Amino acid sequence: NAGVTQTPKFRVLKTGQSMTLLCAQDMNHEYMYWYRQDPGMGLRLIHYSVGEGTTAKGEVPDGYNVSRLKKQNFLLGLESAAPSQTSVYFCASRTSASYEQYFGPGTRLTVT
Amino acid sequence: DAKTTQPPSMDCAEGRAANLPCNHSTISGNEYVYWYRQIHSQGPQYIIHGLKNNETNEMASLIITEDRKSSTLILPHATLRDTAVYYCIVRQNTGNQFYFGTGTSLTVIP
Repeated sequence: NAGVTQTPKFRVLKTGQSMTLLCAQDMNHEYMYWYRQDPGMGLRLIHYSVGEGTTAKGEVPDGYNVSRLKKQNFLLGLESAAPSQTSVYFCASRTSASYEQYFGPGTRLTVT
Repeated sequence: DAKTTQPPSMDCAEGRAANLPCNHSTISGNEYVYWYRQIHSQGPQYIIHGLKNNETNEMASLIITEDRKSSTLILPHATLRDTAVYYCIVRQNTGNQFYFGTGTSLTVIP
């Protein structure tokens, strides 16, 4: 099992550009999460999904959209990137039977 | 929402026990305490969780006080690879969100 994978690993965007981050898990987990981590800070929840076709807002959802069209994939979109969105983005997943989250390796995004 | 308070940093000598404290004085009766760690810039890794009783697994032990207002994560024989940021998290009643906070940066010294 690959666990949780994230694509891409690194990306540099100009202000106003758009992009999509892909999270994939092969553990058949129902729940998936997107977090951001800024330097020297803990993780903050952006959006999450409790199952295919459903999404919900987390702590810092503004400027982001998400989709969960397939159970194994959770996409995070930035429609118009801003420098304030420069961060490391982590995806995580878990089963409905446990609150142990499995994290991906992260995507380092820089918006100039 | 229950919040947690952790010291920002701690040192521990290699081979000694590392005791990481966490305060969660507003914890509710059905809220669990979770511990995760983040090594360098990797994704966080689950360590252990508990409700009332002390818990132990192959990585660590979790000691929760009787009033549940605080807990301690114990790494019995710290190694250099245990250098990481350790997060104490209280799971919300809804169960869907985790608040990680800023954690404790543990440095294991040779």
